[in-house]
Amino acid sequence: QKEVEQDPGPLSVPEGAIVSLNCTYSNSAFQYFMWYRQYSRKGPELLMYTYSSGNKEDGRFTAQVDKSSKYISLFIRDSQPSDSATYLCAMAGGAQKLVFGQGTRLTINP
Amino acid sequence: DAGVIQSPRHEVTEMGQEVTLRCKPISGHDYLFWYRQTMMRGLELLIYFNNNVPIDDSGMPEDRFSAKMPNASFSTLKIQPSEPRDSAVYFCASSVLAGADTQYFGPGTRLTVL
Repeated sequence: QKEVEQDPGPLSVPEGAIVSLNCTYSNSAFQYFMWYRQYSRKGPELLMYTYSSGNKEDGRFTAQVDKSSKYISLFIRDSQPSDSATYLCAMAGGAQKLVFGQGTRLTINP
Repeated sequence: DAGVIQSPRHEVTEMGQEVTLRCKPISGHDYLFWYRQTMMRGLELLIYFNNNVPIDDSGMPEDRFSAKMPNASFSTLKIQPSEPRDSAVYFCASSVLAGADTQYFGPGTRLTVL
């Protein structure tokens, strides 16, 4: 079993839809949770960063962490074609190395 | 700062040839990471350095892979001999701290081994 599981998709939704991306994990030591966004033929870039449980909102993006269920989510409201990318969850426990999910390829159709 | 710089951007080679990928991290970043990305396996950490010293190379798939960091501004990942299954996008990333600190990725090197 992988430490971090993420459905690779692909996921295709119409413009304006609410998108939900999810990851599950098995390591209870994880405390830091991130979402990276990767556009085609580019390197990943940090999108959202959350420590421990709870929600964090940044514009149209909301990151949720449920440590009791070992489950994290990224919600995108009012999705735009420019949101089309691969989204990778990532997590770490303190000074341990970052562990990435496989990434979900998302397409927003105009 | 120009960000993480990688070269070459694309590399096509024949099986059995030596391949060298290069990376210049962001100045002042003490950590450097080499990743490999494929459709099947996603983003895999191969090796990372702290202050030019290799810390964890458990992700290096075989002895055919080696990485060096002779100074704070330069690192190489070498594959010798290369095989078709090494075809992937190789990313270099750097960060100030380890673990949960933000990693800044380069544009990647797309390697094709024929």
